[in-house]
Amino acid sequence: DIQMTQSPSSLSAFVGDRVTITCRATQNIYNYVNWYQQKPGMAPKLLVYAASTLQPWAPSRFSGSGSGTDFTLTISALQAEDFATYYCHQTFHTPYTFGLGTKVEIK
Amino acid sequence: QVQLVQSGNEVKSPGASVKVSCKASGYSFTNYGVTWVRQAPGQGLEWMGWITTYNGNTNYAQKFHDRISMTADTSTGTAYMELRSLRPDDTAVYYCARVQLAAMLDHWGQGSLVTVSS
Repeated sequence: DIQMTQSPSSLSAFVGDRVTITCRATQNIYNYVNWYQQKPGMAPKLLVYAASTLQPWAPSRFSGSGSGTDFTLTISALQAEDFATYYCHQTFHTPYTFGLGTKVEIK
Repeated sequence: QVQLVQSGNEVKSPGASVKVSCKASGYSFTNYGVTWVRQAPGQGLEWMGWITTYNGNTNYAQKFHDRISMTADTSTGTAYMELRSLRPDDTAVYYCARVQLAAMLDHWGQGSLVTVSS
């Protein structure tokens, strides 16, 4: 199975800060990575697909990048409503494994 | 609009089975697959498998292979996930999600909590 190592597991940042979350795959997965945002008590929401394409609902402060084994989700200027847990998800080969998540807290 | 509405929460005894439903609306059901993902309390997301709704083909995570069944009723636009031989560590919220291109999950159900306890 392809493992997705996501880091950090949690972070605390100020509104306006730039935040970066990374995921590393155990093999080349090209751009078959999606990112999800999950708020407490809610279902996850697709945020970025194919490594770098933003969903229409997502604010432009979110961006995704990477290919091969290393991927990044960036929030350019953190807002209070971005408090959530973020997951990467590889869809190159089944089982389609998730990273363990990054919990973003607002200072 | 696209909606996936799941069945209610369940409490089951160890060894029992549970069948969770996911009724789709707002799109052509057979044009998209359905994936099932679960989340244990306070834990991350776990991919369980998916079903191609137009022909019923399935792909299960090996971890569940011998005790899971996914089906789709095209007449009602409803997907089902049955998990057998339940254990306490199967306690989780179970989500269905619509499968889009490259297996991205663009719409999710609200989740169904399954509690396994004696």
